[in-house]
Amino acid sequence: ETGVTQSPTHLIKTRGQQVTLRCSSQSGHNTVSWYQQALGQGPQFIFQYYREEENGRGNFPPRFSGLQFPNYSSELNVNALELDDSALYLCASSLPLAGGNEQYFGPGTRLTVT
Amino acid sequence: DAKTTQPPSMDCAEGRAANLPCNHSTISGNEYVYWYRQIHSQGPQYIIHGLKNNETNEMASLIITEDRKSSTLILPHATLRDTAVYYCIVRVLGSARQLTFGSGTQLTVLP
Repeated sequence: ETGVTQSPTHLIKTRGQQVTLRCSSQSGHNTVSWYQQALGQGPQFIFQYYREEENGRGNFPPRFSGLQFPNYSSELNVNALELDDSALYLCASSLPLAGGNEQYFGPGTRLTVT
Repeated sequence: DAKTTQPPSMDCAEGRAANLPCNHSTISGNEYVYWYRQIHSQGPQYIIHGLKNNETNEMASLIITEDRKSSTLILPHATLRDTAVYYCIVRVLGSARQLTFGSGTQLTVLP
């Protein structure tokens, strides 16, 4: 069984640029959630996708957007990068209505905005 | 989701049991207690969850008080690899809702 994978591992961008982060969900999982984790803090929910539709959003501005594809992989796009966007971005996949609804996290993408 | 309170840090000797407390005094009847941990620079890892009965799996045991206002995660024989931030989260089972992480407890297992 393949776990959640994310790419790239690390990324450095300049303020004002745009970035796309990618996530492949665990086999069979049709729900993907994205989280932002600033240094020293717990992960903060950005949004969730279920069957290619946004299914909930946290307190993040519209310049954070996403996509989910038919194979359940997902992208997180951030426009007009700000210095405060520097963080670890985590993707988690799950089955929304089965079992304990555990979310399985990928290793994350470390984004640095300079 | 109900709010949780955890101590910011704890130490434990290698080979001893690590007991991590969590207070969730505003928990609702349909909310479960979940535990995740995050080893440095990795994604969080699911450990265990429960409603009101004690639960045990290959990683840990979860003890929930009778009034469900607090719980304890027990790692029976802590190893150095258990050093991590442990998050206690309260949420409704089966919903597609997000996980709301607090600050967690930094557990350091000492040799």
